[in-house]
Amino acid sequence: EVQLVQSGAEVKKPGESLKISCKGSGYSFTSYWIGWVRQMPGKGLEWMGIIYPGDSDTRYSPSFQGQVTISADKSISTAYLQWSSLKASDTAMYYCASGPTGVSWFDPWGQGTLVTVSS
Amino acid sequence: SYVLTQPPSVSVAPGQTARITCGGNNIGSKSVHWYQQKPGQAPVLVVYDDSDRPSGIPERFSGSNSGNTATLTISRVEAGDEADYYCQVWDSSSEVVFGGGTKLTVL
Repeated sequence: EVQLVQSGAEVKKPGESLKISCKGSGYSFTSYWIGWVRQMPGKGLEWMGIIYPGDSDTRYSPSFQGQVTISADKSISTAYLQWSSLKASDTAMYYCASGPTGVSWFDPWGQGTLVTVSS
Repeated sequence: SYVLTQPPSVSVAPGQTARITCGGNNIGSKSVHWYQQKPGQAPVLVVYDDSDRPSGIPERFSGSNSGNTATLTISRVEAGDEADYYCQVWDSSSEVVFGGGTKLTVL
């Protein structure tokens, strides 16, 4: 079974750093793209960026370029999303999702990681 | 940047047909994908490449795409279909674009 399992919920203070993870199993992790999607409370889906773990080719949404870093460690089939300095406005659910190509649909999705940033 | 427009809400009685639209400039030239998101759950792909269904998705879910509008059609709607639905495309600048989402209410 193809599956993406994300790390658990996080509660952080403004200014702190954070790295959340997304581990793939049941398929060739290096052959599929991994995208990251933000969903703020009560809002819709926002694409943040995408990475190809095979060669770490990474693309960012202009809205998130410079705000986050997407990376992957293919040796452990895991992709990451990280912040160097969190803001309260980063409070959201973050999903990873797999795509067969760099310009396709996303399936499956991880279960989501809730990030809460509050002083 | 490319914009996808969805109606905020659609209501339908059980057993009837729900149609959720996704509007975009010449969207018929792009591949459209649709996701279902139930409360507290991650999105699930229900239609890809305009009209194909992933395995495990009922035949009641179908899609079409032409001109400036793509449509997700759910036939014989059930209470369990109540959810938010999002359309998605890749635009010409290699960015993923999601529609704003449509809340389907089963009356």
